[in-house]
Amino acid sequence: EAQVTQNPRYLITVTGKKLTVTCSQNMNHEYMSWYRQDPGLGLRQIYYSMNVEVTDKGDVPEGYKVSRKEKRNFPLILESPSPNQTSLYFCASSPNRNLNTEAFFGQGTRLTVV
Amino acid sequence: AQKVTQAQTEISVVEKEDVTLDCVYETRDTTYYLFWYKQPPSGELVFLIRRNSFDEQNEISGRYSWNFQKSTSSFNFTITASQVVDSAVYFCALSTTSGTYKYIFGTGTRLKVLA
Repeated sequence: EAQVTQNPRYLITVTGKKLTVTCSQNMNHEYMSWYRQDPGLGLRQIYYSMNVEVTDKGDVPEGYKVSRKEKRNFPLILESPSPNQTSLYFCASSPNRNLNTEAFFGQGTRLTVV
Repeated sequence: AQKVTQAQTEISVVEKEDVTLDCVYETRDTTYYLFWYKQPPSGELVFLIRRNSFDEQNEISGRYSWNFQKSTSSFNFTITASQVVDSAVYFCALSTTSGTYKYIFGTGTRLKVLA
C-alpha cells in the first residue's frame, strides 16, 4: 500500500530534550516536506527536500533540522525543543518538485513540549 | 504573493442542509493547482480533489461538488444534504510551478453538522 509513515503519533517531551520524528514513504517520491499545523494558522511549511541531499527552509524553519540521506526517509529533528514547538506535525511527499499532484500526508505527530 | 483565504472559520448546519465552503486564492502564475483536504476529528488529512488552472469544469462526486471560477479566483466546495460524518476541518490549498516548492494552505473551515 502506498503510504507515508510518521512516528511517533503522539509525543510528550520536556524542554531541551532532543527528539526526532521519523517519516518514510514507499512511493519513490522525489519531493518531501514537513508542515506544522496550529489553530487559526493552517499548515505552514517547515522544511522541504527536492531529492536526496537537497533540502531547504520553508516558512518556519527556526528550531528544526532535517536530513535526506535516502530517498524514502526525511526525519525532522528538534535539537532543543521549546513549548512554542507544541503542534501537530505532518510529513508530506509528492512525486516531483512541480507539485502538480496532491500531497500524500503521513498520519500526523502530535507533539507536546512541557 | 501567493495566498489562500478561507474566510469562514467555523460553520454549523443541521443535518441534510446544503453547505458551501469558500476558498479564494491569489497567484500570478498561469499554471497552478488547487486542492481540498478533509481533516476529520481523528486528525489525518484526507485528499478530496485536485484541479489545475486550465480546467474550469465543475466537478461532482456524490454529495460533493466543486465550483472553480478563475474570474473570481475562487474554488468553492459544496456538500449537499450534509451528514454528521461530514463534520471536520476542511482545507483548501494551492501549488504553483513558479518555484515556491510548497503547498500553500488556507487556515481551514471547521464544519459542524448537527443531528
